[in-house]
Amino acid sequence: EDQVTQSPEALRLQEGESSSLNCSYTVSGLRGLFWYRQDPGKGPEFLFTLYSAGEEKEKERLKATLTKKESFLHITAPKPEDSATYLCAVWGRGSTLGRLYFGRGTQLTVWP
Amino acid sequence: EPEVTQTPSHQVTQMGQEVILRCVPISNHLYFYWYRQILGQKVEFLVSFYNNEISEKSEIFDDQFSVERPDGSNFTLKIRSTKLEDSAMYFCASSLEREYEQYFGPGTRLTVT
Repeated sequence: EDQVTQSPEALRLQEGESSSLNCSYTVSGLRGLFWYRQDPGKGPEFLFTLYSAGEEKEKERLKATLTKKESFLHITAPKPEDSATYLCAVWGRGSTLGRLYFGRGTQLTVWP
Repeated sequence: EPEVTQTPSHQVTQMGQEVILRCVPISNHLYFYWYRQILGQKVEFLVSFYNNEISEKSEIFDDQFSVERPDGSNFTLKIRSTKLEDSAMYFCASSLEREYEQYFGPGTRLTVT
């Protein structure tokens, strides 16, 4: 079964303090890696899709990168509104139709 | 911006009762999914649906569960006889193509008492 491990489980940052979240995965033939943001009591909100090692995507203060074993979500100069749980999910060759395996997430708190 | 919608937002039911959770996927999407998230745990895949049939289902999706697309816009998840352990947030998702990102709805919180 495809596995996704995210670290750290929780991260507290001061506003403006940049950091990275890690997602390591074991999957037979990665077809796609997805980053989502989830606010309490809400559904996951799509952020990025990465398909192959070396790929990078950026959106505002977030940048996602992908290697053959892991992905990083870099947060530059975070603001309190970036506080959320960030989820990583993978789609592997074992699934024909987009079954995603999620990690437990990193709960990010940014304080002013 | 198009979005996935789900109703109801919260459903309370007694053990053994049937529930139907409803979803309206994004209108031009072709692939539909149900996931669930037990409080404090991972988001877990239940089932995927394409071309009016189930494409893949997880071990969780047993005979008590069924899905249906009764018309061109709705996508439903039925639990025939709910158990206490079915209490969770249920998320519907849809995607344009299977390789593309899945867009999730806001979820239905199911509480089984």
